[in-house]
Amino acid sequence: DAGITQSPRYKITETGRQVTLMCHQTWSHSYMFWYRQDLGHGLRLIYYSAAADITDKGEVPDGYVVSRSKTENFPLTLESATRSQTSVYFCASGEGDRGLNSRAKNIQYFGAGTRLSVL
Amino acid sequence: QKEVEQNSGPLSVPEGAIASLNCTYSDRGSQSFFWYRQYSGKSPELIMFIYSNGDKEDGRFTAQLNKASQYVSLLIRDSQPSDSATYLCAVRRDTGFQKLVFGTGTRLLVSP
Repeated sequence: DAGITQSPRYKITETGRQVTLMCHQTWSHSYMFWYRQDLGHGLRLIYYSAAADITDKGEVPDGYVVSRSKTENFPLTLESATRSQTSVYFCASGEGDRGLNSRAKNIQYFGAGTRLSVL
Repeated sequence: QKEVEQNSGPLSVPEGAIASLNCTYSDRGSQSFFWYRQYSGKSPELIMFIYSNGDKEDGRFTAQLNKASQYVSLLIRDSQPSDSATYLCAVRRDTGFQKLVFGTGTRLLVSP
């Protein structure tokens, strides 16, 4: 299917376990992002990537690891899950600043989200 | 002060009325502004984006930007119950990569 897909959609895990959330996009967008959404905080950026093998921290990176060996995939790993990481996680992608109408490329498209519960 | 502020609501309007959603931002260097709609349990979807001062219209939606006053608003004309959702304002500072800063959203309720 075309677009951006996240898996799993729901995940329950225990404190201390490693969890990997998957994100796959078929648009060949150069940029990919991971956000978490919590009540009262809105969407907060965890990590982002400008291209394969280029990643950088966002606002709340602690406890998370990302990789991007291929343009289309951007997995997010919680190395040792904590209860405070219970949240809804959204992956997004975008084209970045390319072309004459570069500002129109700033748009980010979101996946359906993964609801993660850490017990 | 948060970078992007929105009234959490809920903003209640009757069907057919105009809903006005407001967003203020703190960084004067911000250049690009986005409105996303998020239904309960769903992901954000883009409604409008605006870069220049003034109004931008798309169907029933109008985005308004005033950089001097550092606010951006979204007007929804002829509001429908299907417009009931949370509306997220997002701002991009044109420095480096295209990171967006989101407000916490305004919940809109349109009653039949």
